Amino acid sequence: QVQLQQWGAGLLKPSETLSLTCAVYGGSLSFYYWSWIRQPPGKGLEWIGEISHSGSTNYSPTLKSRVTISLDTSKNQFYLKLSSATAADTAVYYCARGISSLAARPLDSWGQGTLVTVSS
Amino acid sequence: EIVLTQSPGTLSLSPGERATLSCRASQSVSGDYLGWYQHKPGQAPRLLIYGTSSRAAGTPDRFSGSGSGTDFTLSISSLEPEDFAVYYCQQYGTSPRYTFGQGTKLEI
Repeated sequence: QVQLQQWGAGLLKPSETLSLTCAVYGGSLSFYYWSWIRQPPGKGLEWIGEISHSGSTNYSPTLKSRVTISLDTSKNQFYLKLSSATAADTAVYYCARGISSLAARPLDSWGQGTLVTVSS
Repeated sequence: EIVLTQSPGTLSLSPGERATLSCRASQSVSGDYLGWYQHKPGQAPRLLIYGTSSRAAGTPDRFSGSGSGTDFTLSISSLEPEDFAVYYCQQYGTSPRYTFGQGTKLEI
């Protein structure tokens, strides 16, 4: 069974770049899409963006100018970078797998979540 | 962008009762593209239902999804203690790819 394990810096200063890594165990990056989702404190889920196993990306229009998602197939990992962080980016960040063989690409496996706080 | 509105915001029920959660879309949604997730505090969200009514692997059969067009429903036939959580509906689209409702908190 696939497992997603994520890590990254939990405390940032405003204007710094948020960086997170998600490692995929028990499965390959191939044939799936890989997403990042976040949940600000007390709020709902917000999709950030996704990357396919071949490297094509889609980003949320509201974050597109600041987001970069990439992957390294040799390490079976994918990454999130969010530049120019502000307090509004404080959230629990999740990585997740999307099933590309299904029309709706449902997110069937998730990482454990990483709390990222942006504060001076 | 399609907006999903869930109701009620909070639903207070007891174990053994039936729960009915609603998700209304601002525009018509293909049934293939509507899903439901369960989220417990301190845990990752869990996929329950995709394609409006297909249960994900491991989803108990007391969970069922239905609906079409702009109105979708998640039903839990007989609540178990572990079912008390926040539930999100989610729509898959073009831009953004995934849109979530604001959530319904199911509490005892």
